[in-house]
Amino acid sequence: GEDVEQSLFLSVREGDSSVINCTYTDSSSTYLYWYKQEPGAGLQLLTYIFSNMDMKQDQRLTVLLNKKDKHLSLRIADTQTGDSAIYFCAGGMNRDDKIIFGKGTRLHILP
Amino acid sequence: ETGVTQSPTHLIKTRGQQVTLRCSSQSGHNTVSWYQQALGQGPQFIFQYYREEENGRGNFPPRFSGLQFPNYSSELNVNALELDDSALYLCASSLSAGGEGDEQFFGPGTRLTVL
Repeated sequence: GEDVEQSLFLSVREGDSSVINCTYTDSSSTYLYWYKQEPGAGLQLLTYIFSNMDMKQDQRLTVLLNKKDKHLSLRIADTQTGDSAIYFCAGGMNRDDKIIFGKGTRLHILP
Repeated sequence: ETGVTQSPTHLIKTRGQQVTLRCSSQSGHNTVSWYQQALGQGPQFIFQYYREEENGRGNFPPRFSGLQFPNYSSELNVNALELDDSALYLCASSLSAGGEGDEQFFGPGTRLTVL
């Protein structure tokens, strides 16, 4: 079946790197996403990676994909207070197809 | 280009009632998807409409239904409301033109509380 698992909480000191991990079961997911959700706001697409890629870097964000282990991670460099949010790992066949979301990881920034 | 908007922002209903939630897609987007996000959970796919026809459905009962209109607006209707229907309902619009499709843009959601 389709399932996306991720840890529920992560606390990181301001300025450190945050690493959020995710595992997924559906190998037919062609696109793997990271979404950010802040209180009272909708879902913001942070970045995505195509399933035939190993890594994607976008400014402070680095996505790593281990397709063999079905493991996806998001690294946020130099974590800031504005990064405090819930981060969802997700997957889909095509970009306009249904998206399967994990339960989200709440990132808490320590001063 | 305006973003995706949803109305109302918040809504309180009682068990057994019916509710209609509305979404206005980005101009030109021919596909709208609806998701239910229960408290502490990730969004779950309800269904998708493409050019006013249902184009895929998640594991939701028939009392969840939808409509998509030519003017880029759409509705999610829920009949016989149950307490477990309390959630944030998100719509997402995209342009589907064959191939891999385009990014889905999410609205801010409607918070539904069923008492």
